[in-house]
Amino acid sequence: DAKTTQPNSMESNEEEPVHLPCNHSTISGTDYIHWYRQLPSQGPEYVIHGLTSNVNNRMASLAIAEDRKSSTLILHRATLRDAAVYYCILRYNYGQNFVFGPGTRLSVLP
Amino acid sequence: DTEVTQTPKHLVMGMTNKKSLKCEQHMGHRAMYWYKQKAKKPPELMFVYSYEKLSINESVPSRFSPECPNSSLLNLHLHALQPEDSALYLCASSQPTGGRNQPQHFGDGTRLSIL
Repeated sequence: DAKTTQPNSMESNEEEPVHLPCNHSTISGTDYIHWYRQLPSQGPEYVIHGLTSNVNNRMASLAIAEDRKSSTLILHRATLRDAAVYYCILRYNYGQNFVFGPGTRLSVLP
Repeated sequence: DTEVTQTPKHLVMGMTNKKSLKCEQHMGHRAMYWYKQKAKKPPELMFVYSYEKLSINESVPSRFSPECPNSSLLNLHLHALQPEDSALYLCASSQPTGGRNQPQHFGDGTRLSIL
């Protein structure tokens, strides 16, 4: 099963961009890369996902390496509300199994 | 506000009690999930229902019994739980996809404490 590795924690200053890395060297050709985040006392929240091309939405951007062995979640201007645990997940099997890695705890400093 | 509603938000029960957790969604999703999350750990998948049928059971002990009475509702029946079962129980829903590109929508969970 393809797995992901992420740094345990990262810090950012408010209103600065944040780049959250994820390595997935054993990714298969049809695995989608998903990012979720979990704010304190809440359930996980979908952020973004992609397959090969870079993706943008109102929350973030996802940059996927050409060989797809790594990806980066980009928050363009961090706010205090972005402090959360960010999970990078590969969806394998037939779209139902869903394995969270340990995630990166992001702290945002005012 | 989350579109997946879980009740109760908190539950304290003894090891001999029987209780149920409830999850409801009205987004028309036909796949629903139960996860268990221990403190400072990532969520772990327990069960998956697709079109109201159990499709994945991640070797969960039989003291946890899931039920999907209809496409909007998912229950988790609890009986004879152990103290180590104390955790946050999360429900999620999504389109039941053959592709892997459907996001899951999570509730805020039920925090369960076993005395």
